[in-house]
Amino acid sequence: GESVGLHLPTLSVQEGDNSIINCAYSNSASDYFIWYKQESGKGPQFIIDIRSNMDKRQGQRVTVLLNKTVKHLSLQIAATQPGDSAVYFCAENLDGSNYKLTFGKGTLLTVNP
Amino acid sequence: NAGVTQTPKFRILKIGQSMTLQCTQDMNHNYMYWYRQDPGMGLKLIYYSVGAGITDKGEVPNGYNVSRSTTEDFPLRLELAAPSQTSVYFCASTWGQGLEKLFFGSGTQLSVL
Repeated sequence: GESVGLHLPTLSVQEGDNSIINCAYSNSASDYFIWYKQESGKGPQFIIDIRSNMDKRQGQRVTVLLNKTVKHLSLQIAATQPGDSAVYFCAENLDGSNYKLTFGKGTLLTVNP
Repeated sequence: NAGVTQTPKFRILKIGQSMTLQCTQDMNHNYMYWYRQDPGMGLKLIYYSVGAGITDKGEVPNGYNVSRSTTEDFPLRLELAAPSQTSVYFCASTWGQGLEKLFFGSGTQLSVL
């Protein structure tokens, strides 16, 4: 089976709330993780990445947390907006090349006005 | 820059038919990739190319062929379409072999009936 997966297939939040999307990975040797956003009818778009030597990385309104002890990755979106509605999925990498990215299944985030 | 452009956006094939999914990028990226995305599943790598004239298999290459005669173009060929090839296909490109950000096209939705 896939080594990267998501606990919840759907997440519904109110506009302005914070969103947390989770991802579990099974390979403790993975050393690089990426979050992608995929809007309906579009290709995935890079959001943020984190290397295994970090626990936290912040971007604009997004934060990725990495817990290597329990092999868990999360994406936090602050002040969620309707434009954040999309499928979010994580990917992990083992050997430093794009050939070996393993993608998770995705979580559908719906932001209610 | 147009980025990564895929054509067609939608296609319906009968079993046994053949077709070529087109992908072109104008960013002078050396590395190009073809993925398929089945409903509720993560992206799976079909084929990739590290430069003109060089291609290699990914995770799920059976039933597909590729060519890379120019830096810009990376077409994906289905010779004998099967229902199992019903999927959304994404082309992507990057500068190099490391974990530079993948730039994705908007996808081709293919149904084989």
